[in-house]
Amino acid sequence: NAGVTQTPKFQVLKTGQSMTLQCAQDMNHEYMSWYRQDPGMGLRLIHYSVGAGITDQGEVPNGYNVSRSTTEDFPLRLLSAAPSQTSVYFCASSSQGDGYTFGSGTRLTVV
Amino acid sequence: GENVEQHPSTLSVQEGDSAVIKCTYSDSASNYFPWYKQELGKGPQLIIDIRSNVGEKKDQRIAVTLNKTAKHFSLHITETQPEDSAVYFCAATSGGSTLGRLYFGRGTQLTVWP
Repeated sequence: NAGVTQTPKFQVLKTGQSMTLQCAQDMNHEYMSWYRQDPGMGLRLIHYSVGAGITDQGEVPNGYNVSRSTTEDFPLRLLSAAPSQTSVYFCASSSQGDGYTFGSGTRLTVV
Repeated sequence: GENVEQHPSTLSVQEGDSAVIKCTYSDSASNYFPWYKQELGKGPQLIIDIRSNVGEKKDQRIAVTLNKTAKHFSLHITETQPEDSAVYFCAATSGGSTLGRLYFGRGTQLTVWP
């Protein structure tokens, strides 16, 4: 049981490039979320999903897209990277929408 | 939406002392309050949670209290140890139409000195 797996762990992008952050969970959890963590700002919700085929926006969705074609995977796409998207990104999953299990994070730098 | 405030932002204690971190929330419909511990370079880890039908919950050296009337909840760590040093986050959610959305405080950096 691997839990929540995020790849890559580190990434450097140039402004304007696009990329996808991968997230997979093997716990058959319905709920999955993406958060970004910035110094002094806590964790802010980007997008979340309550099940396959269902996604919704969080607090800071601009510049990001998500899809949920399977229960296991919830990729986060950056359409055109900007320096303001430099952050640490966490994916999390839950079976009932409350006690989330977090992945180990992706540290993204946009130059 | 929900607004969660957390205090203090930093906390230093001597090993063996107690540590208390406090959070307030704005949405009276919130009914689930988890606490997460984040060690350097790792993702947040759920350490304890409480639901609105309970006033206090304990797990060994960790306890959480909830005052729904005042809309605040607190994390208590007794007999602190150096390995308790980490960033702690509180969170709240109301379920219902917002089920799946956790709102986090900004975190407390706890340092336990040996």
